[in-house]
Amino acid sequence: GENVEQHPSTLSVQEGDSAVIKCTYSDSASNYFPWYKQELGKGPQLIIDIRSNVGEKKDQRIAVTLNKTAKHFSLHITETQPEDSAVYFCAASILTGGGNKLTFGTGTQLKVEL
Amino acid sequence: SAVISQKPSRDICQRGTSLTIQCQVDSQVTMMFWYRQQPGQSLTLIATANQGSEATYESGFVIDKFPISRPNLTFSTLTVSNMSPEDSSIYLCSVVAYPGQVHTEAFFGQGTRLTVV
Repeated sequence: GENVEQHPSTLSVQEGDSAVIKCTYSDSASNYFPWYKQELGKGPQLIIDIRSNVGEKKDQRIAVTLNKTAKHFSLHITETQPEDSAVYFCAASILTGGGNKLTFGTGTQLKVEL
Repeated sequence: SAVISQKPSRDICQRGTSLTIQCQVDSQVTMMFWYRQQPGQSLTLIATANQGSEATYESGFVIDKFPISRPNLTFSTLTVSNMSPEDSSIYLCSVVAYPGQVHTEAFFGQGTRLTVV
């Protein structure tokens, strides 16, 4: 089955700096890669996703890049703010008519310091 | 995105008892899933809740321990049976795909934080 590795496990940045979180996946058939933000006591919230037919996607301060050949994808957050502090999870799946079963990475605790 | 409500939001249970968690969605969804998130850990898929038929369980999870029901397109339940302290986790409902759409994002409920004592 799919295996997703995520690094780093913790990341501390100064407000205004950029943060980068990296993930690798094992199953070359995976074609959908979402990123989730989980705040304390809440469920994961989808923040951005990318499908395998594109290499990069951007939404305001958040961007995701995908390298299918190397089987890795990354989350980039620019101009970080204290409210960006949370745990971030990457995930991978094979989108089919049967749905979207996600395999998650191990999570990154991001702390944005003032 | 759908509004997903889970009940209860948290509970403390005695070992050996069972707890049923409810997931209610405000619109019809094609796929519903149940995940477990152990303390400080990532999310692991327990099973796919299939409407009108038995759930499809992932490796390491069995129906006797985690019976699942899905009577319609907006509601599912997960029961954690014969609980032990190792079952202390956050249990999350996820919904994917809406009628008429093939692929879409996965959204999560707020989770049920279970502590077994």
